[in-house]
Amino acid sequence: NAGVTQTPKFRVLKTGQSMTLLCAQDMNHEYMYWYRQDPGMGLRLIHYSVGEGTTAKGEVPDGYNVSRLKKQNFLLGLESAAPSQTSVYFCASSPERVGLALPNEQFFGPGTRLTVL
Amino acid sequence: GNSVTQMEGPVTLSEEAFLTINCTYTATGYPSLFWYVQYPGEGLQLLLKATKADDKGSNKGFEATYRKETTSFHLEKGSVQVSDSAVYFCALSDNTDKLIFGTGTRLQVFP
Repeated sequence: NAGVTQTPKFRVLKTGQSMTLLCAQDMNHEYMYWYRQDPGMGLRLIHYSVGEGTTAKGEVPDGYNVSRLKKQNFLLGLESAAPSQTSVYFCASSPERVGLALPNEQFFGPGTRLTVL
Repeated sequence: GNSVTQMEGPVTLSEEAFLTINCTYTATGYPSLFWYVQYPGEGLQLLLKATKADDKGSNKGFEATYRKETTSFHLEKGSVQVSDSAVYFCALSDNTDKLIFGTGTRLQVFP
């Protein structure tokens, strides 16, 4: 199993350009997440999905869009990149939490380092 | 709202020294608590977790005890190795399927 994979690993954009980050998982997980990691701020949740065809906003959703057309893939889009979106982006997935069960472990990809000039 | 506060780093230690990384939280109800570790150039991976008061999570020589009375989940290891050099994140889940992370603490261990 490859686990959680992310493409690309690195990308440099100019302000106003668009791009899509791809996350794929082969663990048949229901839940998927996109985070950004910035110095001194830890990881902040951008958007997440609790199943194919569903998405929801996290803590810092502005400037990003997501889609979950297939269970194994979760795409993060930047329509018009800004320097403030320079960051390291992590995707994660976890199994579905059933009923009152405790939260499951999240499995992380290796990250995408994005620079917006 | 819910939040996690970690001690600022970097924490610099010699090999075989004792490690403590402090973590306190603010949450309503009874959150689950986690420590994740991020090795250089990699994504985060779960190190240990605790799901109720007085639970002790442990893994790879690391331990943390869920202390509800002090709202803390401090990470400890009796003897660190160079290979433990990484960034450590404390996190909580308030049972909404989302994690709230602290800012991370960088640990540097020198031989």
